[in-house]
Parts: sequence; C-alpha cells; structure tokens
Amino acid sequence: NAGVTQTPKFQVLKTGQSMTLQCAQDMNHNSMYWYRQDPGMGLRLIYYSASEGTTDKGEVPNGYNVSRLNKREFSLRLESAAPSQTSVYFCASSPQIGGQETQYFGPGTRLLVL
Amino acid sequence: GEDVEQSLFLSVREGDSSVINCTYTDSSSTYLYWYKQEPGAGLQLLTYIFSNMDMKQDQRLTVLLNKKDKHLSLRIADTQTGDSAIYFCAERRSGAGSYQLTFGKGTKLSVIP
Repeated sequence: NAGVTQTPKFQVLKTGQSMTLQCAQDMNHNSMYWYRQDPGMGLRLIYYSASEGTTDKGEVPNGYNVSRLNKREFSLRLESAAPSQTSVYFCASSPQIGGQETQYFGPGTRLLVL
Repeated sequence: GEDVEQSLFLSVREGDSSVINCTYTDSSSTYLYWYKQEPGAGLQLLTYIFSNMDMKQDQRLTVLLNKKDKHLSLRIADTQTGDSAIYFCAERRSGAGSYQLTFGKGTKLSVIP
C-alpha cells in the first residue's frame, strides 16, 4: 500500500498563477483533509471532506478551493497564488470523521510563491 | 486561549531520556496524539491516549496525561540519534469540532551523539 500520496513534491509559482495540488489514498478511507504548515507553526486545517461528495471549510480556507473527485482523491486548488500561500501542504486521510482513528499523512508538497 | 502549547526546542544526549511536554485547551478532549516529523517528511503517528487514561506505554515511549492540569507528556527512553525530529502534540476535541485535530507548534528534539 502506498498510503497517502501527493503530487507534486515541489512547486514554484509566480503571484497570480493557479495550480492544483493532488492527493490520493489507497486505504479506502472516508475522510480526507488538507493542511498547511508554516515555519514555527503547527498544522492548520484548510479544508476537509468527511465523506465522498462533501467538503467543508477548516480554519484557513481563504484563497483555496477543493474537490473530492471520488473516494480516493481530494485536490486543493489555488486560483490566484499569493506569496502568503508559500507553505508546505499536507494531505491526510482517516477511516471516518471523528473517533479514535488517527489521520494518516502524505509526504507534503512544498510550494513557493514569488 | 485556543492554542495547544509546546516548547519549541529540546536537546538531549544519546542514551538519556527525553521528555516533551504539551498543554492543551479543551478539558473535554477525547483523544490526544503524538506525531513525529522527520526532515522533509510528513507526520507519522507515534502514539495516542484516550482521555480516560492516565498513562500509556509502548516500548520506549511513555505517555502521561494529567487531565486536571490539561498536561500531556511524551517520554522517550534511551534516546537515539534516529529520534531527532519534530514532535507534535495534537488534541481531538469533542462535539462540533471533533472532525479536527488541533496541533501544537512542535518541539524540535536534537540528540547529541
């Protein structure tokens, strides 16, 4: 099992460009999440999807959109990138929302916006 | 406040014990987690403890939970250089926020050979 995979690993964008970060999980999990991690900060939740067909805002959703394409895939889109979106982005999944199950994390996408 | 608090840095000698501390915010938190992040990698779950437990031991790892003080600690016995990483404490709150894990800022553990 690959677990949670993310593409790309690294990306450099110019201000105003758009891009989509891809995430897929092969654990048949219902719930998926997008976080951002900034230096000296913990992880902050951007959006989550409790189950296929649903998405909800997390703590810091502004400037992002998401799509739960199917049970396996959950993408994060930056429509017009800003330098403040320079960060490391982590996708995670869990069997279901809430409960004792932990979240399983992907390796991250490092994004630099110039 | 709403933050999960951790000290930012800890340095120990190889073979000593490491103790990483965390204070959390919600007395009704159901689960508390410790994650490890190695350089350039994602977060890996180390262990978790249910809120009705005081202690959990798993090989070199011991988790202590003091609900009264909302204090969580992770003890790593016989610390090795491979334990050098950032350690995150996280809480799962109850009720409407239970979908979300709230993370501390992470404690960077440096192990001196």
